[in-house]
Amino acid sequence: AQKITQTQPGMFVQEKEAVTLDCTYDTSDPSYGLFWYKQPSSGEMIFLIYQGSYDQQNATEGRYSLNFQKARKSANLVISASQLGDSAMYFCAMREGRSNYQLIWGAGTKLIIKP
Amino acid sequence: GAVVSQHPSWVICKSGTSVKIECRSLDFQATTMFWYRQFPKQSLMLMATSNEGSKATYEQGVEKDKFLINHASLTLSTLTVTSAHPEDSSFYICSASTSGRANEQFFGPGTRLTVL
Repeated sequence: AQKITQTQPGMFVQEKEAVTLDCTYDTSDPSYGLFWYKQPSSGEMIFLIYQGSYDQQNATEGRYSLNFQKARKSANLVISASQLGDSAMYFCAMREGRSNYQLIWGAGTKLIIKP
Repeated sequence: GAVVSQHPSWVICKSGTSVKIECRSLDFQATTMFWYRQFPKQSLMLMATSNEGSKATYEQGVEKDKFLINHASLTLSTLTVTSAHPEDSSFYICSASTSGRANEQFFGPGTRLTVL
């Protein structure tokens, strides 16, 4: 079974609108971390936001917020007021507590912001 | 802070030659470095995990004799693709991990390898 599932291969969103990128995960480890990375066409992986499994509040970083629903095992990324520069691939990843910092990656979602 | 560089950014080589890719953490000491391979429109595939001063741990299906990894210091890891063939053409990305709360990985800009 896939440990990280991103069900949206691609999305088109109008500029300035909010967008939610879905991510569900599967783990039996009570300690884990969830990450979102952005990969523009240049190829560089850019860290966006992190959520720990024991964090009480949803993580926020500027225009990025993580809608963490532990019981549903979902960790959706919300981008508020989207900008043209947000067009990129977005990857959800998980680190399980027992791993040596290894990340388990989702398939990614290609987000295109329309002017 | 937390900048990771890779060199070269892109390389074209002839089949049968070896190519070395460097990954450096510029402003922090990385206890662990990772090497990934990414095919077009696909996610990252972990190739190996390396800790400074010890042998790399390769993922299943990755040939250790073909993809030589050396982690000589806390700021430098190298990946050498030996006797490269066209099927080795890919985007190679390294990352370096800190020991912070998130143990997050900081990624290099990647190296695009084309083998003719």
